[in-house]
Amino acid sequence: KAGVTQTPRYLIKTRGQQVTLSCSPISGHRSVSWYQQTPGQGLQFLFEYFSETQRNKGNFPGRFSGRQFSNSRSEMNVSTLELGDSALYLCASSLGRDSNYGYTFGSGTRLTVV
Amino acid sequence: GDSVTQMEGPVTLSEEAFLTINCTYTATGYPSLFWYVQYPGEGLQLLLKATKADDKGSNKGFEATYRKETTSFHLEKGSVQVSDSAVYFCALSDNLSGGSYIPTFGRGTSLIVHP
Repeated sequence: KAGVTQTPRYLIKTRGQQVTLSCSPISGHRSVSWYQQTPGQGLQFLFEYFSETQRNKGNFPGRFSGRQFSNSRSEMNVSTLELGDSALYLCASSLGRDSNYGYTFGSGTRLTVV
Repeated sequence: GDSVTQMEGPVTLSEEAFLTINCTYTATGYPSLFWYVQYPGEGLQLLLKATKADDKGSNKGFEATYRKETTSFHLEKGSVQVSDSAVYFCALSDNLSGGSYIPTFGRGTSLIVHP
């Protein structure tokens, strides 16, 4: 079966612009989470969506937002980009909201802000 | 809060050497434990997991045992290959009251295997 699909794979944006990243989870997975990965901070949790509702949010400014659609696909948006937003953004889907389930990650979107 | 501590890398080994990557954790509840692997240019892949004390997770020759008494989940492999070169992440997921199960990840340990 298809894995978690993230588009685009690479993005280059200018400071002050906004960007939208997309994630299609594994079919049947209703939970989608987003992480930011940087060499300095490692994996940092952004937010989690389940059944179109944001259930958890990490410690990121309001410039970072997301949503989930009825087909479980998710998007995240970053407005007013800063240089420090350059990172690999990973989407992960899970079968349910239970600690016994692992995550399936996509290959990520590499965002570079110049 | 919950946390995961991994040994710092990089870990550099020759092919066929024995691998151990240490992982210890602190958790409020009774977590499930995971190892993920990230190959260059890719996302993380679930390698193995254990959901209760003394469980052993295994996959592709890798093993880890859930040790509640030492709060550890060390990753081991008897004979590494060049293709095992990657970054390995230890993680825990804890069903706190209220249903928050978001995994907490360690910082990752880079493994480099030379021919």
